[in-house]
Amino acid sequence: DGGITQSPKYLFRKEGQNVTLSCEQNLNHDAMYWYRQDPGQGLRLIYYSQIVNDFQKGDIAEGYSVSREKKESFPLTVTSAQKNPTAFYLCASSIQVTGELFFGEGSRLTVL
Amino acid sequence: AQKITQTQPGMFVQEKEAVTLDCTYDTSDPSYGLFWYKQPSSGEMIFLIYQGSYDQQNATEGRYSLNFQKARKSANLVISASQLGDSAMYFCAMRELDSGGSNYKLTFGKGTLLTVNP
Repeated sequence: DGGITQSPKYLFRKEGQNVTLSCEQNLNHDAMYWYRQDPGQGLRLIYYSQIVNDFQKGDIAEGYSVSREKKESFPLTVTSAQKNPTAFYLCASSIQVTGELFFGEGSRLTVL
Repeated sequence: AQKITQTQPGMFVQEKEAVTLDCTYDTSDPSYGLFWYKQPSSGEMIFLIYQGSYDQQNATEGRYSLNFQKARKSANLVISASQLGDSAMYFCAMRELDSGGSNYKLTFGKGTLLTVNP
């Protein structure tokens, strides 16, 4: 079945460690996005990418990094520079024409 | 300034009644799109309905309809005949060109928590 796969679903890390969240899609979508969700804050855009080897900073990119080496993959690294990394992270992809987002099931990161 | 504003943190509705969830937006892109998503407690994001800025008629999808008032920059979601399973967070989102003018980005509101009472 086509869809977006995020892994891991739950992740615990110690403060100061970098963490990489995986996002893979087999929908043949050009655009991919990373959002962070905190209670009462809605979804905030971290990074987005329209084509391979190109990506743009969203509204809260500080402390995060991404790569887009393949159309299917858009991994997110939460670096030690991110002050408050504990959150629910959602990856999405979209067809350029309509813009409708298809979401993964999310990754919940807890930093101890 | 916020791009998407949802002024109702929480709403209550009786089963089988209709409910309207408010959303206002702000953009200078003439070709934008508006979306509503539902997020149950499980965390998945479910697409509900889409309205393009040039669409002449209000979008409808089953029990969902979008009350699009372009001049007022509002895109309210109307859910008719509410069901217990409609209890969830509802997010309004807008697609527009970014400041570079060549990439689309989607911005979400803070959401409205809808509770349907039996």
